Amino acid sequence: NAGVMQNPRHLVRRRGQEARLRCSPMKGHSHVYWYRQLPEEGLKFMVYLQKENIIDESGMPKERFSAEFPKEGPSILRIQQVVRGDSAAYFCASSPPGRGGQGEQFFGPGTRLTVL
Amino acid sequence: SQQGEEDPQALSIQEGENATMNCSYKTSINNLQWYRQNSGRGLVHLILIRSNEREKHSGRLRVTLDTSKKSSSLLITASRAADTASYFCATESGGSYIPTFGRGTSLIVHP
Repeated sequence: NAGVMQNPRHLVRRRGQEARLRCSPMKGHSHVYWYRQLPEEGLKFMVYLQKENIIDESGMPKERFSAEFPKEGPSILRIQQVVRGDSAAYFCASSPPGRGGQGEQFFGPGTRLTVL
Repeated sequence: SQQGEEDPQALSIQEGENATMNCSYKTSINNLQWYRQNSGRGLVHLILIRSNEREKHSGRLRVTLDTSKKSSSLLITASRAADTASYFCATESGGSYIPTFGRGTSLIVHP
C-alpha cells in the first residue's frame, strides 16, 4: 500500500509564474490536507478537502492560492503569480473516511518550492 | 499564535542517553499527538494521547499528558543516532479537526 505521494519533490519557479503541486492520498483515504512549512517553523494548515469539496480553507491566502480534489486524480494546490515569500515546503497529508481529521494523518514527502 | 510550543528548541545528546521534550498549549484539547520529521522528509506520526489519558508508551517512547498544566512530554529512552530528527507536538481542540503544530524540537543524537 503506497503512502501519500507528492510531486514534484522540488519545484523552481520565477516570480510571476504558476506553481502546481500534486498530492495522491493513500489508497482508500478521502480526506486531504495541505500544510506549508517555512524553515525552522512548524506546519501551518492551509486547506482541508474531501473528494470534490473544500471543507476548510481558513489557512489559505485568499488571493493567488487555490486547491482542488477532483473525483478522479490527485489533489492539486495551485499558486498563481508566485512571489519569493511563497518559497517553502508544502506538505500534503491524508486520513481515512469517517475520521474527519481526528487522529493520525499520513504525510507525504513534501514539495519544496523555490521562487527565484 | 501557536497552540503547541515545544521546549527546548534544540537538544543535543549522546547515544544511549534519554531525550525529553516538552510541549505546552493554551486551550483545552481533545487529543495531542507527537510527530517526527527527518531532514527533508514528511512527518511521521509517533503517538496520540487523548485528553482523558495521562501516559502512553510505544516502544522506546513514553508520552505523558498533564491537562491541569496544559503540557505534555515525550521521552525517548536509550536514544540512537537514528533518532536524530525534529519532533513536533500537534493539538486538536473543540470541534476542530485540524491539528495545530508547534515549531518543533530539533534533536541531535551523537554516535
